[in-house]
Amino acid sequence: GQQLNQSPQSMFIQEGEDVSMNCTSSSIFNTWLWYKQEPGEGPVLLIALYKAGELTSNGRLTAQFGITRKDSFLNISASIPSDVGIYFCAGQLDPGGSEKLVFGKGTKLTVNP
Amino acid sequence: DSGVTQTPKHLITATGQRVTLRCSPRSGDLSVYWYQQSLDQGLQFLIQYYNGEERAKGNILERFSAQQFPDLHSELNLSSLELGDSALYFCASSVALWAGEIDTQYFGPGTRLTVL
Repeated sequence: GQQLNQSPQSMFIQEGEDVSMNCTSSSIFNTWLWYKQEPGEGPVLLIALYKAGELTSNGRLTAQFGITRKDSFLNISASIPSDVGIYFCAGQLDPGGSEKLVFGKGTKLTVNP
Repeated sequence: DSGVTQTPKHLITATGQRVTLRCSPRSGDLSVYWYQQSLDQGLQFLIQYYNGEERAKGNILERFSAQQFPDLHSELNLSSLELGDSALYFCASSVALWAGEIDTQYFGPGTRLTVL
């Protein structure tokens, strides 16, 4: 089945630093999503990307849908302690099939104040 | 708060037992998805229901089954439980009007299942 390779697995940064993480796939996706999960909670949608090449921002977060439709990246600028959590990328298959999401294994972010 | 509710929040049971997890989707959402999250496998799609009917199946074991009721809430039934079934089980919902419609899934807080 489809797999997403998400990197890095974990990041330890200082407050105020910028963060970058990415996802690559061997398959094409028509939608890329980025979620954040905090301990004891479900994933919360941060950004959704629907078109190849699309660059979308949500506050300090910026994500891009790769031109090849096989990759996406998420940037967080000027990190703050509440950015701590696990960030997941997810790809959604062609709506002509099923709407299931394929998730990356996550990037665990730790922000030191 | 995503608007998706799941009960119970925690469940502890023994091997061989059967449990039922419940999910209420966001108001207006017709589609419900079930996911399993374990440490080694990450988030895995199990099954999707749309307006009461099964729409897509993922890596769901035969010991597991689900259904969506007329009021659109869904239940995931796990039977003959094994130690390896211990995981977080998430429900997500979306509008999912029809194939091709841009759709977004919103996740519930999850049910943590521990099988002893």
